[in-house]
Amino acid sequence: ETGVTQSPTHLIKTRGQQVTLRCSSQSGHNTVSWYQQALGQGPQFIFQYYREEENGRGNFPPRFSGLQFPNYSSELNVNALELDDSALYLCASRPGWGGLLSRRNEQFFGPGTRLTVL
Amino acid sequence: SQELEQSPQSLIVQEGKNLTINCTSSKTLYGLYWYKQKYGEGLIFLMMLQKGGEEKSHEKITAKLDEKKQQSSLHITASQPSHAGIYLCGAVGSGNTGKLIFGQGTTLQVKP
Repeated sequence: ETGVTQSPTHLIKTRGQQVTLRCSSQSGHNTVSWYQQALGQGPQFIFQYYREEENGRGNFPPRFSGLQFPNYSSELNVNALELDDSALYLCASRPGWGGLLSRRNEQFFGPGTRLTVL
Repeated sequence: SQELEQSPQSLIVQEGKNLTINCTSSKTLYGLYWYKQKYGEGLIFLMMLQKGGEEKSHEKITAKLDEKKQQSSLHITASQPSHAGIYLCGAVGSGNTGKLIFGQGTTLQVKP
């Protein structure tokens, strides 16, 4: 089990609503990434945060936004929810700014938040 | 854009049998992560391969990276019911964005 935690575990929203998902990174990790995993698919990269700034983004519209706090925890906000936003949202953290292939900079995932949009 | 294809998509094996899962990239593989996922849960880190020809083992799981073939393989020896789950490979994207590009996953069932 990793030290990455996410809340809530499950969430049900209706179309058009807004949602905030939370992630606490593993101790000592200052870089957080968010992924969306639709049923039966691999995770899709949403964005990465390092020292409270977004510095990498996948093909997601601006209604997906995030924050990172001084303690390196992070939030994912999704506005104007659509039915296709129903998915498992995964947070991942790693120790530092070095690349994903740097030794001792491996990326660890949290348990995820299951979002259902009705 | 880079794509990863995993094969097979699903696999059912008898306990004690060996098996191999392949992950093939449409572009050069600079490095690769392997994760295991229980249905609907988070991803469990298995291993990270940094360069071509690298091979790593953990317990009964061995992974190799063949840079020339743009492919990685995950081999499980003497499978156990605890090995059941979804295996995902993730290629490191270009730049230092933290982006992993994942395959669609291979679902493994191990029959006792």
